[in-house]
Formats: sequence, structure tokens, C-alpha cells
Amino acid sequence: DVKVTQSSRYLVKRTGEKVFLECVQDMDHENMFWYRQDPGLGLRLIYFSYDVKMKEKGDIPEGYSVSREKKERFSLILESASTNQTSMYLCASSLSRVPYEQYFGPGTRLTVT
Amino acid sequence: GEDVEQSLFLSVREGDSSVINCTYTDSSSTYLYWYKQEPGAGLQLLTYIFSNMDMKQDQRLTVLLNKKDKHLSLRIADTQTGDSAIYFCAEIHSGGYQKVTFGTGTKLQVIP
Repeated sequence: DVKVTQSSRYLVKRTGEKVFLECVQDMDHENMFWYRQDPGLGLRLIYFSYDVKMKEKGDIPEGYSVSREKKERFSLILESASTNQTSMYLCASSLSRVPYEQYFGPGTRLTVT
Repeated sequence: GEDVEQSLFLSVREGDSSVINCTYTDSSSTYLYWYKQEPGAGLQLLTYIFSNMDMKQDQRLTVLLNKKDKHLSLRIADTQTGDSAIYFCAEIHSGGYQKVTFGTGTKLQVIP
């Protein structure tokens, strides 16, 4: 079974703090993704990576950066957390072949105060 | 850019059929998906359909695709309380890095 794990289920941070969200997958998937999920807005793609050290901006990259030093690990970084980054963050991974199914972690609920 | 729209909420009685609808704008979509998110969990793929198909059936699930109208639906027969979840429609088009566009999600409430 594919497993995608995220470092924290719940996180509370203060405005201006640097925040690291970690994601690890154990199935040698090439692609990894970071989304945020907000009520009424669905999932919005922040960044994705199709290989080690490779990254592409998604639809809402502002205020975020990512790091992929190893194939199994994809980190999301909030350089200076703001209250509008309070959200549910979901990590996913996939193979580069049909049907490109994405496997999701359980999510991290981040609250910025 | 691509857009995928769904109604936000659907309520059905246990044992009835549920129909969740989705519209999308990208005419070059190659695969369309239905993902399910149970409370406190990430999303899980339920089923998918290739864009040259009209229909796909998998046990209690039926997916209908109207490519002309860019409309996708998911029918759940004999809906059970365990089907209560958020259902996301999603699409992918060729030529990218498997970038998937997700809809807003439909929360299905099953009333016992």
C-alpha cells in the first residue's frame, strides 16, 4: 500500500514565523504535490515537483517555497507565516503513468495567529 | 486557466441514489476523476474515466461523461451512511506534468 505521511496533523504558529511542513512517500513516486484546501474553494495547487530538485509553481505559489532534496521527501516552507495562510495543507504523490492517480497524506491543519 | 465546478452540498436518504455533478472548461482533458475525502483524511481515488468513454460502471458507482457539454456525473446506487464524505471531481490534460485540476468538492450527507 502506498503511504504518504505528513509531519504534523495540527500546527499552530505565530505571524511572521518560518514554518516547515514535511511530506514523505514510500512508493518511489516521481511526482509530488502540495495543495491547500479551503471551504468552498476546493483544492488549490501551491507547488509540485516531478523529480528531485525540480519544482514548478502551481496556481497559488505566493508566500510559499518548496524543497525536494530526496525523491521521497517534499517540504513546503512558509517563509513568514501570515493569518491568510491558515488552512488545511495536503501533500500528494503520483507516478508518471496512466492513470496518474494521486495518493494523499492525511493533511496538516495549520493555524496562524 | 482550467476550471472545474461542483455544487457544494447534496443530501440524500439512505438507500436512495445520489448523483453528484461536475462541469469543466478544459476541452483537452484526457482523464477525469472522482476522489472521495472522508472526515479527517486525505483524498482517495474512487474511479476515473478516459475522455473517449461515455460511461464507466464499477459496482455501485456509475460515471457518465458528456464531452460535448463538458459535464461529468457520479451516481452512487443504494447510498449508505458510509458514503457520507466530500466528493471531488478532477481533470488532467495532456502535455503537462500530470497537473490535476480539482473541483470545489460536493459534501454528501446521507440521512439514515
